[in-house]
Amino acid sequence: GAVVSQHPSWVICKSGTSVKIECRSLDFQATTMFWYRQFPKQSLMLMATSNEGSKATYEQGVEKDKFLINHASLTLSTLTVTSAHPEDSSFYICSASSGNTIYFGEGSWLTVV
Amino acid sequence: QKEVEQDPGPLSVPEGAIVSLNCTYSNSAFQYFMWYRQYSRKGPELLMYTYSSGNKEDGRFTAQVDKSSKYISLFIRDSQPSDSATYLCAMTPNFGNEKLTFGTGTRL
Repeated sequence: GAVVSQHPSWVICKSGTSVKIECRSLDFQATTMFWYRQFPKQSLMLMATSNEGSKATYEQGVEKDKFLINHASLTLSTLTVTSAHPEDSSFYICSASSGNTIYFGEGSWLTVV
Repeated sequence: QKEVEQDPGPLSVPEGAIVSLNCTYSNSAFQYFMWYRQYSRKGPELLMYTYSSGNKEDGRFTAQVDKSSKYISLFIRDSQPSDSATYLCAMTPNFGNEKLTFGTGTRL
């Protein structure tokens, strides 16, 4: 079946640095991917919609200059957390739709120290 | 009022019991309804997907949608310890470019 892969699964970075998370659709093409953020014991919060070949659409309250999204191909979207701070530590998850099903990646744990 | 309401639990049941998980929603435009299972520190895994009203069964899982009441359910029969997870309901008006609206999740 369709698989969405995220990399890295977990990452630790220093405050002030940037970190990139990749989301790949492994056996299907995804013109649209979604990036979510999840805090412990809370539901998924949509951050942005990533559209292949165009700018991402950000949800209200999400800083587009801080969370850079690039969807350069039909199988890859990247989320870059710029100038990361400890409050950016969270679980980041991407998803992509294939037919009438939406699949999620395994998620990426970001810890900013 | 949230678009999708889901009891956060936690819900504790004995092994072998039937589990009922529910969500209510307010947006009548929702047409596609999904249940995801999420184990601790992992991404959500799709369990069931239903279009419009009706029932759908897959093994020990049954999903029900009642659009007239704006109410969806997931039933788990013969529950197992491996079913312990957080169950998220999600819904969207259309697939493709539409975002999912999630419930808060029920911890089982």
